Amino acid sequence: AQRVTQPEKLLSVFKGAPVELKCNYSYSGSPELFWYVQYSRQRLQLLLRHISRESIKGFTADLNKGETSFHLKKPFAQEEDSAMYYCALRTSGTYKYIFGTGTRLKVLA
Amino acid sequence: GAGVSQSPSNKVTEKGKDVELRCDPISGHTALYWYRQRLGQGLEFLIYFQGNSAPDKSGLPSDRFSAERTGESVSTLTIQRTQQEDSAVYLCASRANTDTQYFGPGTRLTVL
Repeated sequence: AQRVTQPEKLLSVFKGAPVELKCNYSYSGSPELFWYVQYSRQRLQLLLRHISRESIKGFTADLNKGETSFHLKKPFAQEEDSAMYYCALRTSGTYKYIFGTGTRLKVLA
Repeated sequence: GAGVSQSPSNKVTEKGKDVELRCDPISGHTALYWYRQRLGQGLEFLIYFQGNSAPDKSGLPSDRFSAERTGESVSTLTIQRTQQEDSAVYLCASRANTDTQYFGPGTRLTVL
């Protein structure tokens, strides 16, 4: 069965430090991977998708098919990055999305 | 423009009662999703509507759960004979012809 694993429930880093939010998936086909973010008192929203190979708010994520990972990275964390981050997988041929359990990022001053 | 809206924002009910949760998607969005988010857990897929196709109900946890959608507009998620384990935030999302889902604010359901 397809699965998305985010091993860290909470990640705390200091402002200016690098941050990496881990995401691993299990799927034998060609996945589409996404990161969604939920800031305090706001709605869940798309942050980035692997197919776009974009950098949003300084965040990047590279799909590593060998390691079945899609870790989210930012070289210098900002306090406004504090939020809940969800990794999601869409399997080929469908528009059904599987979400991980989320990681809460706290950026400390 | 208006985003996805959900009502009610909070619902408290007694065990055994039926509840209806409503979702108004963004106008023109052909796809609509329902998810459940239990405390401390991720988003659990429930059901997915795409245009006039048969909905993907593979995530509904039991036959107490059902959902309807009228055309490409409003959707209602109904939970019959609610149980305490149904307590969660129920999220609705809609999508146009892209991979971006737009989420509503959610309905927090508490079953006493």
